[in-house]
Amino acid sequence: KAGVTQTPRYLIKTRGQQVTLSCSPISGHRSVSWYQQTPGQGLQFLFEYFSETQRNKGNFPGRFSGRQFSNSRSEMNVSTLELGDSALYLCASSLEGQGDSPLHFGNGTRLTVT
Amino acid sequence: GNSVTQMEGPVTLSEEAFLTINCTYTATGYPSLFWYVQYPGEGLQLLLKATKADDKGSNKGFEATYRKETTSFHLEKGSVQVSDSAVYFCALDPARSTLTFGKGTMLLVSP
Repeated sequence: KAGVTQTPRYLIKTRGQQVTLSCSPISGHRSVSWYQQTPGQGLQFLFEYFSETQRNKGNFPGRFSGRQFSNSRSEMNVSTLELGDSALYLCASSLEGQGDSPLHFGNGTRLTVT
Repeated sequence: GNSVTQMEGPVTLSEEAFLTINCTYTATGYPSLFWYVQYPGEGLQLLLKATKADDKGSNKGFEATYRKETTSFHLEKGSVQVSDSAVYFCALDPARSTLTFGKGTMLLVSP
């Protein structure tokens, strides 16, 4: 079974630009969540989608948004990039959420903002 | 709010040494507790979990017991290998898919 696939693996953008990251979950998984990982703040929850609906949201500004498609694939978008948005963005999928269906993480997209 | 505190690293051990990585948490209710491991250049992998007090999670020689009275979930392994070198994250889940992670503890095992 293929794992969680995130594309692209690396991105370099300039301040003020916008960026879209993509995540393909494990086949059959309906929940997709996104995390930001930085050396200073560690891993922080961005949002979670289930059956095309945002179910949970972390404490991030409105510049961070996401969506989920009918095939469960998800995208996240960051507009008006800031230097502090440089991070590893991790996507995770699960059947329906935590508890008996643990999260499976992709290898992440490394975003560098210059 | 919810939070997880892990011992700071790096933890440096020789092969076959005993490992303990401390983790304590603050949460309302009775969250599930997890240990994830991250190898260089990769995402996180679930190592083990416990869903209620006194549960013991175990996998690949690693163990952790959910201690409600001390709000702890310490990770242990009796004999580490070089291949165990990675960053270990303790996490709690107060609600579905909204994991709260600790800062991570880097483990370095030398031959």
